Amino acid sequence: DAGVTQSPTHLIKTRGQQVTLRCSPKSGHDTVSWYQQALGQGPQFIFQYYEEEERQRGNFPDRFSGHQFPNYSSELNVNALLLGDSALYLCASSLGTSANTGELFFGEGSRLTVL
Amino acid sequence: QKEVEQDPGPLSVPEGAIVSLNCTYSNSAFQYFMWYRQYSRKGPELLMYTYSSGNKEDGRFTAQVDKSSKYISLFIRDSQPSDSATYLCAMSGRDSSYKLIFGSGTRLLVRP
Repeated sequence: DAGVTQSPTHLIKTRGQQVTLRCSPKSGHDTVSWYQQALGQGPQFIFQYYEEEERQRGNFPDRFSGHQFPNYSSELNVNALLLGDSALYLCASSLGTSANTGELFFGEGSRLTVL
Repeated sequence: QKEVEQDPGPLSVPEGAIVSLNCTYSNSAFQYFMWYRQYSRKGPELLMYTYSSGNKEDGRFTAQVDKSSKYISLFIRDSQPSDSATYLCAMSGRDSSYKLIFGSGTRLLVRP
């Protein structure tokens, strides 16, 4: 049973560029959440997708956008990259009914470096 | 002030020691309390999950929640070098919020 898979694992971009990160949830899960984890910090909630809609959003600017596909996989897009966007981006999957109870399964993350 | 406070460590203990990891929080609406373990360059892995106050035990791990003090703890008995990792506490509320609020993590090193 495959867990949460994310791609790419590492990438380097320059300021002003755009990036797309991808996530496939754990088999049987229908909800995807995205978190940003800066070095030495805990993950910060970006948004959650359920039934192909953004269900909740954290305190991130509109440069951060996402999408969920009918097969429950998801993308995170970040436009106009800033140096401060350098972080580990984590995808977490869960069941819609337990998505607010903390039973999240995380992927290995995509490490983004902005130069 | 952060909603969830966690001592960053590092905490260094000898193999076999009992480890105590703690978090304090300010939002009394939190109802679900979790501990995640994160190895270097990996994603967080759910270790323990507790609803409301009380204790929960799973093998060498015990989670405690004291809502009156807004304080949660994770105890690791007979610690092993393989327990060396960063431990993140996380919380969520019973309202319509779907986000987890994480502490900044405590780095644990278990010396052989």
